[in-house]
Order: sequence, then structure tokens, then C-alpha cells
Amino acid sequence: DTAVSQTPKYLVTQMGNDKSIKCEQNLGHDTMYWYKQDSKKFLKIMFSYNNKELIINETVPNRFSPKSPDKAHLNLHINSLELGDSAVYFCASSRQPGEIQEAFFGQGTRLTVV
Amino acid sequence: GQSLEQPSEVTAVEGAIVQINCTYQTSGFYGLSWYQQHDGGAPTFLSYNALDGLEETGRFSSFLSRSDSYGYLLLQELQMKDSASYFCAVRGSPLMDSSYKLIFGSGTRLLVRP
Repeated sequence: DTAVSQTPKYLVTQMGNDKSIKCEQNLGHDTMYWYKQDSKKFLKIMFSYNNKELIINETVPNRFSPKSPDKAHLNLHINSLELGDSAVYFCASSRQPGEIQEAFFGQGTRLTVV
Repeated sequence: GQSLEQPSEVTAVEGAIVQINCTYQTSGFYGLSWYQQHDGGAPTFLSYNALDGLEETGRFSSFLSRSDSYGYLLLQELQMKDSASYFCAVRGSPLMDSSYKLIFGSGTRLLVRP
């Protein structure tokens, strides 16, 4: 049983397209996150939701829009994809925002924009 | 702002002991975490230090000195499967908005040779 699962695992798309990545966690956690890992393996937080409410919104282009229909799901929609959006996107969860130090990560979605 | 420094690469021999250092500069500090990431895999939580001293979990230990803004991950009895990237990550002070962010270092690539 996968704790944090995200789909798709791989996504290849053309510039200008709109795409979504889905994430679900079955750990009963209250808090979910989206991280971006670039080609140099640098991991940077993008968004955090606690119980469906946005609590962290880093300096991310507004082409990126997260949506949390319930506390077990956090999806990421990206409009007008650009070459620079190519990266691995990780969804993660923790029991509470205050327990972010022990986060559980999904397997990642490798997005390639061509 | 917050920044973390760790060596980019470390090489060691199977069965040996290796120490991966991490120094940090933060405007607030709540704790230091360590994560392991195999190529193509998800970051996996290893350990967390909120207080000074050594935390031991099997072959892995993590140390923190808050006065020196320094920590390290110690891996003993190295095995081939320990070849991976290791990230230190800082959680900011609960008094600041960085409390709910995990800021990652750039990672140390560990190569274990036979």
C-alpha cells in the first residue's frame, strides 16, 4: 500500500500546454506539500496545504495552481508550460505542519517540457 | 534568509564509516533533518535533531550543535546500498513564517565502493 502516491510518474509535453499532476496520501496526515527538484537535485518547497487550506505559497509563477479537494489529495495544475518547468515534482505529507521535519514523499513526477 | 552547505560528493569503501557535514545559516532555527534519496527515487526521512547531541538509529547517527550551526550524519558499516544522495534540511523557528517550511541543502552524493 503506497503511502503517498502521485500520477503520472512521467510527463512529456510541449511548451504552452496545460497539465495536471495528482497526489493522494493514505496516511491520515493533515498537511501536504509540493516540492520541485531541479536538474542539480536542489529541492525547493512550492506550496503547503493544511486540512485543505493553503499555508505556504512560495514565490512561484501563478501559472502553477494547487488544489486540495480534501486533506488526502493535493493536485498541481500548470498552465502554459515553459521549458524551465522541466523538473521532478514531489508531493509530500506530514501529520501536521508542525511535524514537517518528518515528511513522507511520493515517488515524484518527472516533467519534461519540449 | 536561510542557507545550508554540505559537500557535493563523498566516496568511501564498503564497511567503512563516513561523516557528511552540514552547516546552516538561518534567521530562525527549530531543527535539522536528514533525508536519503536514491537515484530516481523519493527523499526518505532518516533522522531529526532539535536539541544538541547525537541521535542514533541503527547504522546511522545524526549530530547537532546549535551554537556552531552545524550538524552531521554518520553512516557506519557502509553497504553498497547506501550509495545515494543525502540532504540536510532545516525547519525554521515557530516564531517566523519559516516554521512550516523545510529548507533543503543541495545534497551530498555518497558513492560506496567495494
